[in-house]
Amino acid sequence: QKEVEQNSGPLSVPEGAIASLNCTYSDRVSQSFFWYRQYSGKSPELIMSIYSNGDKEDGRFTAQLNKASQYVSLLIRDSQPSDSATYLCAVIGSGTYKYIFGTGTRLKVLA
Amino acid sequence: DAMVIQNPRYQVTQFGKPVTLSCSQTLNHNVMYWYQQKSSQAPKLLFHYYDKDFNNEADTPDNFQSRRPNTSFCFLDIRSPGLGDAAMYLCATSSDDNEQFFGPGTRLTVL
Repeated sequence: QKEVEQNSGPLSVPEGAIASLNCTYSDRVSQSFFWYRQYSGKSPELIMSIYSNGDKEDGRFTAQLNKASQYVSLLIRDSQPSDSATYLCAVIGSGTYKYIFGTGTRLKVLA
Repeated sequence: DAMVIQNPRYQVTQFGKPVTLSCSQTLNHNVMYWYQQKSSQAPKLLFHYYDKDFNNEADTPDNFQSRRPNTSFCFLDIRSPGLGDAAMYLCATSSDDNEQFFGPGTRLTVL
């Protein structure tokens, strides 16, 4: 059973701090990795995609991938109350179009 | 703007009364997905299409059917909704670069 694991939280951080969200996956042949943000009652919104080991930065967001350790993380710098949401990690394997989602980490940014 | 559109946004049906949810896209993506998401859970893949090739998940109940008459449209038919089928239904699309984009979802209530 291919799995994606996330700490359900809630993860609480003060406004302006760095929020660190982590995700581990079980399938070693996974090739593509994604972070989605989902506000309550809304659909998931793509924040970042990452395909190779290392860091990828986009504005206040940095995704980090370590395939040897099978984890992917998302850092949010200068966290804002509007960042309060559930963050879903998703993984896709080679030669497939099926996404495996984690259950998400709920982030609370305290003003 | 290119987008994924779902109709209706809210659907109320009675126990056992068939319902059809629709999804359309202007992204010209070849892959379309239907997910079911219940509160505090990960999106659960029901099926996906690669072009007209239909891929059903092994644990998707027979009560759920899908049609994709052309590249732009995809439908989810629930033949006899039960109380346990009340959920958010999410349509998503992706192309060969694998980034997946979601529509706003349809919230289904079963009375």
